[in-house]
Amino acid sequence: SQQGEEDPQALSIQEGENATMNCSYKTSINNLQWYRQNSGRGLVHLILIRSNEREKHSGRLRVTLDTSKKSSSLLITASRAADTASYFCATVSYNFNKFYFGSGTKLNVKP
Amino acid sequence: SQTIHQWPATLVQPVGSPLSLECTVEGTSNPNLYWYRQAAGRGLQLLFYSIGIDQISSEVPQNLSASRPQDRQFILSSKKLLLSDSGFYLCAWSPPGLAGGRALPNEQFFGPGTRLTVL
Repeated sequence: SQQGEEDPQALSIQEGENATMNCSYKTSINNLQWYRQNSGRGLVHLILIRSNEREKHSGRLRVTLDTSKKSSSLLITASRAADTASYFCATVSYNFNKFYFGSGTKLNVKP
Repeated sequence: SQTIHQWPATLVQPVGSPLSLECTVEGTSNPNLYWYRQAAGRGLQLLFYSIGIDQISSEVPQNLSASRPQDRQFILSSKKLLLSDSGFYLCAWSPPGLAGGRALPNEQFFGPGTRLTVL
């Protein structure tokens, strides 16, 4: 399966701390994306990193991609209580038609 | 701007009853469309995707089917629901993956989801 797997499954931190989530996948990809899901809601796209990129930033988000290890990490700096949500990585195949999501990391940021 | 709608928001159905979930997208043409199921506290399982009318691919064998009667309408159906069909169903769309003959990376936009409980 091409499906990504996030690690850890759950993460609890204090407001202001950094949160790091990891994603591993199995097959070649065109790009990898991170999404956020608030409880009982749809997913919202956060950031996309192409297979030829190693690092990307967007506000307090930093994503890295290591295609040799087939892994990615999402770092949220200076976390806020509002960052509490589940975070999913999604790998995208070269035909762009299929997105494979991992099982997610549930982040709890305590105020 | 583009919007995606799903209904109903919640649904409670008895085992053996039929199912029809609808998803529509506004503000775009020829979108790729997707149906996912999410079990409680779990990731998303891709059920169906469609790159055009009458072009639907099924990812896993199951008790469900999908249809795309119009360019921006995607329907998830079942003739007889099973207990294991319970879950959170999400519809999503993404821009067509090709522009000028060249494939482009794109993101998915999700609907609000339908929570289905089969009793």
